[in-house]
Amino acid sequence: NAGVTQTPKFQVLKTGQSMTLQCAQDMNHEYMSWYRQDPGMGLRLIHYSVGAGITDQGEVPNGYNVSRSTTEDFPLRLLSAAPSQTSVYFCASKGSVNTEAFFGQGTRLTVV
Amino acid sequence: DQQVKQNSPSLSVQEGRISILNCDYTNSMFDYFLWYKKYPAEGPTFLISISSIKDKNEDGRFTVFLNKSAKHLSLHIVPSQPGDSAVYFCAAFSYSGGGADGLTFGKGTHLIIQP
Repeated sequence: NAGVTQTPKFQVLKTGQSMTLQCAQDMNHEYMSWYRQDPGMGLRLIHYSVGAGITDQGEVPNGYNVSRSTTEDFPLRLLSAAPSQTSVYFCASKGSVNTEAFFGQGTRLTVV
Repeated sequence: DQQVKQNSPSLSVQEGRISILNCDYTNSMFDYFLWYKKYPAEGPTFLISISSIKDKNEDGRFTVFLNKSAKHLSLHIVPSQPGDSAVYFCAAFSYSGGGADGLTFGKGTHLIIQP
């Protein structure tokens, strides 16, 4: 009963490097989303997807790309990491009629 | 412009007493509200929710109250227990808008239960 799985749990990047944060869910949920959590800022929506092949921008999309080739996976790509992207990233999923979102354990990213 | 506001960054309550966490919102399109609980180094976990057609929802020790005219909701925890110490996020959602744009979160309130 995995739910939402995020990898890696921790990552340190140098400025300008690229990487992909992985997110997978096994609940056959249509909706998936990425949030970042910063001190004093709560969780802010980066990108979301309402199904395979469909993605859209959230509140803070700059510097991030996403794709949704399957229902299960929703990776988040940083093409050129910047120190401002140091944050904790959470992936979430929810079913099309169930408004409760399930969150992964998070990825703590540090960009130096 | 912050659409969901939790104005108390932290709250300290004695074990056994009532904890009341408050949340205000500005977007009239929101019609579903949720509370999430978050422990350090873990993802948020769903606690309780309420639809805008109701003014109260109860689940064990947790009750959420919604005052639509005031655009205000509150989470009551009775009695408070040490395991309730966590950060609590209020979140809102527009189901009538299709729910596609995710949840809008407040900044969170750190609840500390004192023995």
